[in-house]
Amino acid sequence: GNSVTQMEGPVTLSEEAFLTINCTYTATGYPSLFWYVQYPGEGLQLLLKATKADDKGSNKGFEATYRKETTSFHLEKGSVQVSDSAVYFCALSDIEGAGTALIFGKGTTLSVSS
Amino acid sequence: GAVVSQHPSWVICKSGTSVKIECRSLDFQATTMFWYRQFPKQSLMLMATSNEGSKATYEQGVEKDKFLINHASLTLSTLTVTSAHPEDSSFYICSARSGLGYTFGSGTRLTVV
Repeated sequence: GNSVTQMEGPVTLSEEAFLTINCTYTATGYPSLFWYVQYPGEGLQLLLKATKADDKGSNKGFEATYRKETTSFHLEKGSVQVSDSAVYFCALSDIEGAGTALIFGKGTTLSVSS
Repeated sequence: GAVVSQHPSWVICKSGTSVKIECRSLDFQATTMFWYRQFPKQSLMLMATSNEGSKATYEQGVEKDKFLINHASLTLSTLTVTSAHPEDSSFYICSARSGLGYTFGSGTRLTVV
């Protein structure tokens, strides 16, 4: 079945450090890939997405490139801020259409200190 | 943009009582809504897919008689936790897909005492 695997957290960084959160997936066909962020006590917000191989999603300094050959969608940011502290979820949607739910990884907690 | 309003944002109830959680799509019609459950420091587990005007489709291991889902209109889906027990305490999140992609409600923190 389809699945998403994220690196185990928590990830603890100092402000302005470089961030990488690894995400790999297993899916049939050509899934769309997403990164969501969840701040404490809140719901999920879409951070970025990519719908086909070699696409790069980017938002708020975060980037992720859809790599079909390695079935990966790693999240990166060149310089993290304290405000980036949150839980990050990698997700996939294997079929386009209203009836298909997202499949999530387990989430990676990021803690950034000043 | 597409907005899903979920409420209540938090609720505390006694064991044995029932709790209803509502999700409304405010500016689009949601033929399908998804209900997730999130345990502390864990991922979102898909509980069921709710289709307007028909029965929900539950994921394996989810008790359909305990977690009643109703999707009576194109803008409203409800999840009722019946005869709640402390082990049902969790964070419940709904989601719908619009032309802009997946939109999530802000979640409901349920605590059963």
